[in-house]
Amino acid sequence: AQTVTQSQPEMSVQEAETVTLSCTYDTSESDYYLFWYKQPPSRQMILVIRQEAYKQQNATENRFSVNFQKAAKSFSLKISDSQLGDAAMYFCAYNAGDSNYQLIWGAGTKLIIKP
Amino acid sequence: GAVVSQHPSWVICKSGTSVKIECRSLDFQATTMFWYRQFPKQSLMLMATSNEGSKATYEQGVEKDKFLINHASLTLSTLTVTSAHPEDSSFYICSARGQGRYEQYFGPGTRLTVT
Repeated sequence: AQTVTQSQPEMSVQEAETVTLSCTYDTSESDYYLFWYKQPPSRQMILVIRQEAYKQQNATENRFSVNFQKAAKSFSLKISDSQLGDAAMYFCAYNAGDSNYQLIWGAGTKLIIKP
Repeated sequence: GAVVSQHPSWVICKSGTSVKIECRSLDFQATTMFWYRQFPKQSLMLMATSNEGSKATYEQGVEKDKFLINHASLTLSTLTVTSAHPEDSSFYICSARGQGRYEQYFGPGTRLTVT
């Protein structure tokens, strides 16, 4: 069964600095999708970034980028120039690219931004 | 784009009554909708998956007769908690995915309190 592991329950970073959140996953599939979602205190879940496993290029969205290491089954999220609004729970999620379309979720990492 | 609404945002009901939560995709057709439950400081727990016009598929341990899901159109799914009890108090979140997409877009959630 596929699993997603986020080993950092909590991370903190100084405002304007860079922080990297870790995520590893286990799968025997070769084609799949990976996502990072953000859940701020409002509890609205927001899609931050997505990565297709067949793409070698790492996805980027403005200040957010990923380091996708397929062989190592690692999918870390880098947040550059951290802002106070980045404070949230961050969840890593995996989709097997199959017909049930379900997401397998990590336990989440709480990101604290120090002003 | 990809906006999902959810109503009500919070509801208080008495034990033994039923409550309905609506989830709508506002600017896309939701081929599949998902219902989650989230306990404090935890990740999302998938309750059921529904495809438009089909019966919902419930996860193991979720009582289908208690949590009734209807996905009557490509933009609307409803979750009815029947004969609610205090242990059903929780944060319920819906999500939706569009045709050919693997990412899910989330509603803002509904906080249910059963007294």
